[in-house]
Amino acid sequence: GAVVSQHPSRVICKSGTSVKIECRSLDFQATTMFWYRQFPKQSLMLMATSNEGSKATYEQGVEKDKFLINHASLTLSTLTVTSAHPEDSSFYICSASEGGDTGELFFGEGSRLTVL
Amino acid sequence: GQNIDQPTEMTATEGAIVQINCTYQTSGFNGLFWYQQHAGEAPTFLSYNVLDGLEEKGRFSSFLSRSKGYSYLLLKELQMKDSASYLCAALDSNYQLIWGAGTKLIIKP
Repeated sequence: GAVVSQHPSRVICKSGTSVKIECRSLDFQATTMFWYRQFPKQSLMLMATSNEGSKATYEQGVEKDKFLINHASLTLSTLTVTSAHPEDSSFYICSASEGGDTGELFFGEGSRLTVL
Repeated sequence: GQNIDQPTEMTATEGAIVQINCTYQTSGFNGLFWYQQHAGEAPTFLSYNVLDGLEEKGRFSSFLSRSKGYSYLLLKELQMKDSASYLCAALDSNYQLIWGAGTKLIIKP
């Protein structure tokens, strides 16, 4: 089946630095990718919808200048957490759709960010 | 507004059957998903329903009633490995996923 790969799976950084997380669709073209954040004991929270070749659409309450999303190609989207702070520590997950009638989404493995 | 409701937690016995319900209110509707998520991992796709009725996949079945805004996930012959969170998510008219908070399923021997 379709595979979505995220990298890195774990990252630790110092407060004030920026971290980039990559999301790749390995065997299909994804015109749309989604970025989520998971808070402890809560469901996934959709952060933004990433469309290839255009600006991402951010959900209400998500700072677009802090969470930079770039969808440079049909197989790659990146999330950059700028000037990271300890409260940004979380599990970030991406998903991508093959399109078609089912709309089935394939999820990456997730990236755990720890900001010291 | 858009809303997904599902129970916070359920407990069942190994070998038994459990049904996890989900009700939804969305702006338009393009289908309903069920995902399984083990702690610390990304969700795994279980099922997708867009037409009314029951779809069966092995031990798991998913049901949808569009007129009632209602779905359920049925798990049969429960195994300890089925202990996980089960997420219900509806696809709205903009193809955005509206997520429920998840139901934590605890399986007891």
